[in-house]
Amino acid sequence: EVQLVESGGGLVQPGGSLRLSCAASGFTFRSYWMHWVRQAPGKGLLWVSGMNSDGSSTTYADSVKGQFTISRDNAKNTLYLQMNSLRVEDTAVYYCARGGPFGRSSPDYWGQGTLVTVSS
Amino acid sequence: QSALTQPPSASGSPGQSVTISCTGTSSDVGGYNYVSWYQQHPGKAPKLMIYEVSKRPSGVPDRFSGSKSGNTASLTVSGLQAEDEADYYCSSYAGSNSHVFGTGTKVTVL
Repeated sequence: EVQLVESGGGLVQPGGSLRLSCAASGFTFRSYWMHWVRQAPGKGLLWVSGMNSDGSSTTYADSVKGQFTISRDNAKNTLYLQMNSLRVEDTAVYYCARGGPFGRSSPDYWGQGTLVTVSS
Repeated sequence: QSALTQPPSASGSPGQSVTISCTGTSSDVGGYNYVSWYQQHPGKAPKLMIYEVSKRPSGVPDRFSGSKSGNTASLTVSGLQAEDEADYYCSSYAGSNSHVFGTGTKVTVL
C-alpha cells in the first residue's frame, strides 16, 4: 500500500524558515517523480514543486522560485521541502504527492498534508 | 502558470448527471493529453479520479468519465450519489515538468 506521511509543519514567524519531510513507503520511491502541492485555508490546490526520480531535475511554481527548495534522499525514501523567507501568504496545508516515471504524469497518491502557519 | 478555470459550483439530484468544465490554454490543457481530475472531501487529501484525460485508476467507479476538446476538459459524474458531494479539481501538465490546477468546483447532491 502506497503511503506518504508529511511532517515538519507548524507555526513560524514571517521571514522564518521551515523544512517539511515526506516519508514514503509501499512503492519503489527512487523510481518516481515526487511533488509538493499546497492548499491555503478555504482555497484551491496549487502545485508548488516537483523533482525527478534521481534528484537531478527540479521545477518550481513561479510564486516560490528562489524561496523554496525541493530535495530527496532515495536511501531514506524521503522527500523534503525547504521553505525560506516565509510570508503570511505561504500559510497552507502542504501535501506530498507521488508523480509518475515522467514529469508530465499527474500526481496519483497523496499524503494527508501538514499545516504550515506563517504568523506573528 | 495561471490556474485553469472551473465553474465554482455544480449540482444535481441523485441519479442525475453533472458535468464540470476545465478551461485552460494551448500551453496546458490543449497542448497535452495529461489532464487529471481529483475529488476532495472536506478535511481530506485529494483523490485521483481521472488521469490522462479519460483513464480511471483502479477502484474508481465507471460513473466518472473524462474528455477533452481543444483547450477545455470535462468531468462527468453519472448516476450521482450522496458520496459524490465534494470539491473537484482538474489538473494539467503545463510543460517543463510543471503542473497547474483548476480553481475547483463544489459539487452538491440535491
